[in-house]
Formats: sequence, C-alpha cells, structure tokens
Amino acid sequence: AQTVTQSQPEMSVQEAETVTLSCTYDTSESDYYLFWYKQPPSRQMILVIRQEAYKQQNATENRFSVNFQKAAKSFSLKISDSQLGDAAMYFCAYRSGKTSGSRLTFGEGTQLTVNP
Amino acid sequence: EAQVTQNPRYLITVTGKKLTVTCSQNMNHEYMSWYRQDPGLGLRQIYYSMNVEVTDKGDVPEGYKVSRKEKRNFPLILESPSPNQTSLYFCASSLYGGTSGRGRFREQFFGPGTRLTVL
Repeated sequence: AQTVTQSQPEMSVQEAETVTLSCTYDTSESDYYLFWYKQPPSRQMILVIRQEAYKQQNATENRFSVNFQKAAKSFSLKISDSQLGDAAMYFCAYRSGKTSGSRLTFGEGTQLTVNP
Repeated sequence: EAQVTQNPRYLITVTGKKLTVTCSQNMNHEYMSWYRQDPGLGLRQIYYSMNVEVTDKGDVPEGYKVSRKEKRNFPLILESPSPNQTSLYFCASSLYGGTSGRGRFREQFFGPGTRLTVL
C-alpha cells in the first residue's frame, strides 16, 4: 500500500519570503500522480499543483513550484513571495496511475502560517 | 456552476441515532468518494463508487454505509453513530480515471465538508 508522509506539522514564513513544505511517499509503482492541496480556514480543498511521475520536469503554477525527486520519493512544495492568503493547511497526496478509479492517499498535513 | 454539494454542513447528534449525510454532484462524474479528516491523520477514504450500483470499501469503512442509486448522488449513512466518528467529512467526485495513468488525469472535486459531532 502507498503511504504519504509530511514530517512538518507546522511551518511559518514571513510575508514576501519563500517557504518549502516537505513530502515523502512510498510506492512500488512507476506510474502515479502527486498533488498538493490547500485547505484554508473555509475548509474547502483546493488543488494547488500536480505532478505526473513520468514527467521529469518539475511542475510550476505561478508562485508555486515543486521539487520532484522520483528516486528519493520526495515531493516538496515551494511557495515564493508568500502572501497572507497562502496561510492554510497543505496536504500532499498520491494517486496511482494503474489502479482503476481516482483514490487519493493523503499525508498528515502541514499548517502554514504567514506572518506580516 | 459545476460543484459538489453536501448537506448538512454541521451536525451535532447523539450516540446511536441514525443519520445520513447527502452528497450530490452536477458534473456527470462516474467516480464519487467519501473521506474523513482527523487532526494528524490527514484525509482517509471511507468508501468509493465507480458508477451507479458499484461501491467498494476504502481504508476506514467500519461503521459506515453508502449507496449509489443515481449517478449524481452518493449519500453516507451512519446507522449507529459513535463518538469516534466525530470528524470532518468530505465528498469528492471525478471522471473515471480508467486503468491508464498517462494522459488521463482526472481532477477530483471536493464538496465543502460536513462537520459531524457525535456526543
């Protein structure tokens, strides 16, 4: 079974600075997807960024980028120019590319605080 | 507007009193799923459905039931709720991913969540 681990329960960053959230996963599969979800105080789950395992290029979405290290099974999220609206719980998630359906396996979450 | 809706958003109940949390999506998605979120554990899948009348257990199915009689609806039923089912519940839906990962990404859309407290 796949597992996802986020070892940082809490992180903080100063506004306009850069912060990196860590995620590691364990799988025996070669075909899969990885995601970062943001959960603000409203509790809504918002997809921030995704990475296909077969792509070597790291995904980027505006101020959000990932460092995908497939051999090390590491998938960190970098937030540049942090804004107050980035404050949220962030979840790393895994989805197999082989099994049917769309099951997501989530990490424990990292609570990000942005200080003005 | 494409969305996943859940009702109720908040519910306080007592041990043993049967309850149902409804979930509905208007995107004609085949795949629907229920997750529960607990502090320090992230989200864990309870049940999922790949289409009408097709359901299966996720990681934490004990104490829950589901049904999928219509494509748009996927209710979560707690026949005899207990305090350890106090949690935040999310319904999610997506197009069916199939068995091939490449080029067939299917974003999963989440409902707004239901905060359940069982006393």
